[in-house]
Amino acid sequence: DSGVTQTPKHLITATGQRVTLRCSPRSGDLSVYWYQQSLDQGLQFLIQYYNGEERAKGNILERFSAQQFPDLHSELNLSSLELGDSALYFCASSIGLANEQFFGPGTRLTVL
Amino acid sequence: EDQVTQSPEALRLQEGESSSLNCSYTVSGLRGLFWYRQDPGKGPEFLFTLYSAGEEKEKERLKATLTKKESFLHITAPKPEDSATYLCAVQGFNQAGTALIFGKGTTLSVSS
Repeated sequence: DSGVTQTPKHLITATGQRVTLRCSPRSGDLSVYWYQQSLDQGLQFLIQYYNGEERAKGNILERFSAQQFPDLHSELNLSSLELGDSALYFCASSIGLANEQFFGPGTRLTVL
Repeated sequence: EDQVTQSPEALRLQEGESSSLNCSYTVSGLRGLFWYRQDPGKGPEFLFTLYSAGEEKEKERLKATLTKKESFLHITAPKPEDSATYLCAVQGFNQAGTALIFGKGTTLSVSS
């Protein structure tokens, strides 16, 4: 158990819908990262927050957004969902900016 | 562009048959190289961080080494419980933020 929690574990929804994924980092960790893992693309970085502020963006679609709240938990919002958005979404956290990252168990999103 | 290539894609070993996994990388200024283990449907589990060429780290049957262009994960006398996908990732100084750039992994199967 890494100490990073993610909810829900599974999410099944329809195309065009909007969903919110939630992540609680390890106690004391200030940095939160979101990654997407699909069979053909591997693990792809989406977005990073550090102590409430957006730090960096990766391959994140405009239909996706995220935020980190004052209690340091983070939410990833996915809207206008498409079949291709089906994937595992992982949250990771680290103490600072350049330390090892610890991953949560992931949310498996299925878009039908 | 920072990039990570892992080989082989898949590796089958007999219990006790030692081998090595390769991770080749290109990065404009290496901040750190990370190894993770991932079991099916689970989040990546942190194994090692290497920072400079010549560095080595060990944990049970695993040993990670680093050169200026590649890293190796040596598995000595593997057991069936070592079966998993092993992921290599790099973090560069010249990228925005401190996200990890992952390879696609090597899937290791160890049979008894």
